[in-house]
Amino acid sequence: GAVVSQHPSWVICKSGTSVKIECRSLDFQATTMFWYRQFPKQSLMLMATSNEGSKATYEQGVEKDKFLINHASLTLSTLTVTSAHPEDSSFYICSARADNNQPQHFGDGTRLSIL
Amino acid sequence: GNSVTQMEGPVTLSEEAFLTINCTYTATGYPSLFWYVQYPGEGLQLLLKATKADDKGSNKGFEATYRKETTSFHLEKGSVQVSDSAVYFCALSDRNEKLTFGTGTRLTIIP
Repeated sequence: GAVVSQHPSWVICKSGTSVKIECRSLDFQATTMFWYRQFPKQSLMLMATSNEGSKATYEQGVEKDKFLINHASLTLSTLTVTSAHPEDSSFYICSARADNNQPQHFGDGTRLSIL
Repeated sequence: GNSVTQMEGPVTLSEEAFLTINCTYTATGYPSLFWYVQYPGEGLQLLLKATKADDKGSNKGFEATYRKETTSFHLEKGSVQVSDSAVYFCALSDRNEKLTFGTGTRLTIIP
């Protein structure tokens, strides 16, 4: 149980385009989803926390207009990287949690490469 | 603020060797502590956790004990296998339930 699916797993696109990443909880309802960014050989940095039906809470230094997060249902959250540039290339990982007493379950990540 | 300090890697061991990966933390209050494992190209998987002092988390032969007096949560395994090769992250969560991760330790087990 507690499976989180992330799609796509790998995306390459041109500079200036927007890219959407989906995060789905397959067998549970996720009231909260988290988005992380991981640079090569580094740890995960929390970008934002989203609760279903509410606006996402962004961590300090993360541009809200650059990284659009939508959490429209209890099983789906999306991260859209707008007008992506090479410096946005990274590994993006989502996690989902049923409630505050449950652990976070992680997706397999999306490797984003901007040319 | 909260922080997690992890043993720097990479760590290379022979199969069946004993493993210790050190982890210490700084937090206000009484956080929950976790070890996550990340296999190549994948997301993180929860390996084990402990929610209060002196609790021992265990899974797949790995163990870690929540030591409040030394603010530590060291990961141990008595006999490692090649399949244990991965990156291991120590993490804590506080009342806000946000996870704070260590920098990760890359473990390579050679046959």
